Amino acid sequence: EVVMTQSPATLSVSPGERGTLSCRASQTVNSKLAWYQQKPGQAPRLLIYAASTRATGIPARFSGSGSGTEFTLTISSLQSEDFALYYCQQYNVWPPGFGGGTKVEIK
Amino acid sequence: EVQLLESGGDLVQPGGSLRLSCAASGFTFSSYAMSWVRQAPGKGLEWFSAIIGSGASTYYADSVKGRFTISRDNSKNTLYLQMNSLRAEDTAVYYCAKDLSNWDLLFDYWGQGTLVTVSS
Repeated sequence: EVVMTQSPATLSVSPGERGTLSCRASQTVNSKLAWYQQKPGQAPRLLIYAASTRATGIPARFSGSGSGTEFTLTISSLQSEDFALYYCQQYNVWPPGFGGGTKVEIK
Repeated sequence: EVQLLESGGDLVQPGGSLRLSCAASGFTFSSYAMSWVRQAPGKGLEWFSAIIGSGASTYYADSVKGRFTISRDNSKNTLYLQMNSLRAEDTAVYYCAKDLSNWDLLFDYWGQGTLVTVSS
């Protein structure tokens, strides 16, 4: 089973600043890596798949990069609605698995 | 517009059973694999079961294998989860999730979730 590790656990950022979230896989997942956003009391929302492809309707301020075992989600200029939990998920190796999450909070 | 609506969550005693449903609309249901993903209170996401579009093949994580059964009725656009021998550690919000394509195990739409509480 592939272990997904996200860092940091909490990211404190001021509105308008850039936020960078990391996700590491315990073995290569090629580019089969997705990012989700979850707000309190809501279901997750797909942001990025194939490591760098934005899902339908996702603003351009969200970008993903990486391949193999190291991945990054960057939010170029944090808006108030972006403060939430973010999860990475690998779907290259059975079973699919999620990271533990990064909480992006207002500094 | 794609919509997924779960139902059936409840308080159940350890060892008990429960069946969840997920009503789908807004897409050709039979063309997509579907999964169940759960989230224990204050915890992260755990994928645990999937079924291909035809329903012919099903898949489970070890944590639920032999206790849970996923199924679908494509004539009713509905996904099901039969949960038996429930344990306290099964307490979670249960989400149904649509696959981005036919078999990616990558989820582009999620339901709002239904809460299952296993407690005496």
